[in-house]
Amino acid sequence: EVQLLESGGGLVQPGGSLRLTCAASGFTFSRFATTWVRQAPGKGLEWVSGIGGSGTDTYYADSVKGRFTISRDNSKNTLYLQMNSLRAEDTAVYYCAKDQISGDGIWLMSHWGRGTLVTVSS
Amino acid sequence: EIVLTQSPGTLSLSPGDRATLSCRASQSVSSSYLAWFQQKSGQAPRLLIFGASSRATGIADRFSGSASGTDFTLTISRLEPEDFAVYYCQQYGMSPEVTFGQGTRLDIK
Repeated sequence: EVQLLESGGGLVQPGGSLRLTCAASGFTFSRFATTWVRQAPGKGLEWVSGIGGSGTDTYYADSVKGRFTISRDNSKNTLYLQMNSLRAEDTAVYYCAKDQISGDGIWLMSHWGRGTLVTVSS
Repeated sequence: EIVLTQSPGTLSLSPGDRATLSCRASQSVSSSYLAWFQQKSGQAPRLLIFGASSRATGIADRFSGSASGTDFTLTISRLEPEDFAVYYCQQYGMSPEVTFGQGTRLDIK
């Protein structure tokens, strides 16, 4: 069974940093692109960042480019999101998700974690 | 960037009714790479439909998707109590310009 478990969320001050982690199991992690999607309180879904299975190719939404860094450790079946220079508008539940098919990534998220809440406030 | 516009914003129906949700793209979506997700309160989204009309694994056949040009439709043929939720469309593909619609809330009338 595919499982994705996010952790690392919490309360951080504006300008601060946080690193999210997503532990994956139940599938061959290195074969699948993975994604971070966020959802601000009471709002819709926003794609944040994606990374190919090998970790070489990374992609970012304009709203986080230059501030967030996605990475993965395939030996540990773990996905990361390093978030720097955080702003109030980054407050959201952050979900990790895996692509439906193996490969470079088509960004069709077939399995999602439960999410971790990031709150940016002073 | 492809903008997806969902309508209506809220749909109030009763169990047993037929629900029709719309998603309009601002430009052509390659290879009908359009998906639908269901999200219940406090839960992660769940993939329902991909490729505009293919049901994901384990999804009941009362859910169906269709496409006509840049217009996409999710139909729930006969609403069950557990179907009342928020539904999002999403375009995907080889380019990482992934976008979601703003969502349609399906409420119990």
